[in-house]
Amino acid sequence: DGGITQSPKYLFRKEGQNVTLSCEQNLNHDAMYWYRQDPGQGLRLIYYSQIVNDFQKGDIAEGYSVSREKKESFPLTVTSAQKNPTAFYLCASSTTGGYGYTFGSGTRLTVV
Amino acid sequence: RKEVEQDPGPFNVPEGATVAFNCTYSNSASQSFFWYRQDCRKEPKLLMSVYSSGNEDGRFTAQLNRASQYISLLIRDSKLSDSATYLCVVNMDNFNKFYFGSGTKLNVKP
Repeated sequence: DGGITQSPKYLFRKEGQNVTLSCEQNLNHDAMYWYRQDPGQGLRLIYYSQIVNDFQKGDIAEGYSVSREKKESFPLTVTSAQKNPTAFYLCASSTTGGYGYTFGSGTRLTVV
Repeated sequence: RKEVEQDPGPFNVPEGATVAFNCTYSNSASQSFFWYRQDCRKEPKLLMSVYSSGNEDGRFTAQLNRASQYISLLIRDSKLSDSATYLCVVNMDNFNKFYFGSGTKLNVKP
């Protein structure tokens, strides 16, 4: 079945470490997105990519980096520059026209 | 001002009640509108798209009011399983950039 897979489901990071969250889709979607959700708040866009080897900053890109080397994959790195990384991270994908917008099941990142 | 605003609730209603949520958006050029449902600690899932003429899917009715820049979701005959957070989603700048409201929490009580 086609879908979008995020891993790991739970991730713990020590202060000062970089961590990478995985997002893979087999929906043949061109566009992929990363969001952050904090308790009681809506989703905020971190980065998005409309095509391989190209991506754009969203509203809260500071402290994050991404790559899009393959159509299927859009990993997110949370760097040590992100001062408050504890959150629920959601990856999504869609067609170029924004149709079929689908979310992965998310990664809960906690700084310990 | 936030791009998309929702009343956070919670809306506490008995089973069988009718409940309605509104969501306002700031950009009059917005093109696409959606309602998503998010269960606790899960990813959002598409509930329904919102069309200019309004649309209905079973117990759920969505409406768009472009003049006043809001969309609404009406749930009839509420079920316990409707308890969730309902997110309003608006496409603003282009087809690939969506803005999410912070959600309205619904609790349906027996």
